[in-house]
Formats: sequence, C-alpha cells, structure tokens
Amino acid sequence: DAGVTQSPTHLIKTRGQQVTLRCSPKSGHDTVSWYQQALGQGPQFIFQYYEEEERQRGNFPDRFSGHQFPNYSSELNVNALLLGDSALYLCASSLARARGYTFGSGTRLTVV
Amino acid sequence: AQKVTQAQTEISVVEKEDVTLDCVYETRDTTYYLFWYKQPPSGELVFLIRRNSFDEQNEISGRYSWNFQKSTSSFNFTITASQVVDSAVYFCALSESTGANSKLTFGKGITLSVRP
Repeated sequence: DAGVTQSPTHLIKTRGQQVTLRCSPKSGHDTVSWYQQALGQGPQFIFQYYEEEERQRGNFPDRFSGHQFPNYSSELNVNALLLGDSALYLCASSLARARGYTFGSGTRLTVV
Repeated sequence: AQKVTQAQTEISVVEKEDVTLDCVYETRDTTYYLFWYKQPPSGELVFLIRRNSFDEQNEISGRYSWNFQKSTSSFNFTITASQVVDSAVYFCALSESTGANSKLTFGKGITLSVRP
C-alpha cells in the first residue's frame, strides 16, 4: 500500500520563476494538506484541499495556490519565487472525519 | 492563537539511556489533539502518538511513553532505553477541534542524537 508520494524530490529554481509541486495521497485518503518547513524550523500549514476546494488556509500570500484533482491528488503552485521560499514542502493526506495524517517525504525547493 | 513550544533544541544521549522530550502548548480550545512526530533525515514525518484533551491517562507503548498534564499545558514524550535508530528530529504538534482535518501547529523540533 503506497503512502504519500511527492514529486519531484529536489528542485532548483531562480528567483522570480514559478514552480509546481505534486502530491499523490495515500490510497483511500481524500484530503490533502501542504506544509512549508524552513531549515531548522517546524512545518507551517499552507492550505488544505478537500472535494477539490480549498478548505483551510494558513498565513501565506496569494503567490501560493493549489489545486486538487478528482483522483484526490494535489498540486502546490508558487509564483514569483523569493529566496525565502527555499524550504522542504511536505504534503499530508488524511481521510475526512478522521484524525490521522500521513506525510510524504517532501520536495526540497531551493531558490537561487 | 495556537502555539507549541519545544524549549529543548538539541539533546545528545548515549545508547540505552532514557530521554524525555518536553512540549508546552497554548490553545483557547477546550477540545484539541496533541501529537508527536519523528522526522528522520529522509524528511518524512512519522506519526508516533496522538492524545485528545479529554484523555489525560498516560500510557506506555513499547519504548515510548507520554505524560499529558492539562494543568501545566504540557505533553512530554519519553523514549526508554534509547537506540541509535532513534536519532532524528522530534516534533510536538497541536490540532484544534473545529474539524476532523484541522491543521497541525508544530513546535520547532528537538534534534535527538543517540551515540553508540
């Protein structure tokens, strides 16, 4: 049973560019949440998708956007990249009305 | 606003020692959930334990145990007879009760090094 799959694992982008990160949830899960983890910090909640809609959002600018597809997979898009966007981006999947979160191994984004 | 504080930043122990990781939280909710996660170098957050605010019973699960005290807003985690494979970053997290999939608020993490 595959867990949460994220792609790519590593990515290097130039300041001002746009990036798309992808997440496939654990089989049977219908909700996807995204977190940003800066070096030496704990993960910070970006947003959550359920039924293809954004349900909750953390304190992140509009440059961060997302999408959930009918098969429950999700994308995180970041526009106009800043050096400060360099971080590990973690995807977590869960089942609505449950309280168990499964995390992927993340995408390490470096902005130069 | 929710907040999780992990005052310890790095802990180093020798294998077979017991180690306790401290966690203090702040929330205005009366119903909430507390978690401990482990993050090995691979980056994936591995779920360890979960506790809801109505259950202060402390338990032991294998080498893991936890001490939840609402009076002091603390949720400490103990590893008994530590092993080298326990070396990782440990995060305490808090989830409010507004929905089954409420966001997690994490502390800054504690880096645990277990030396052979």
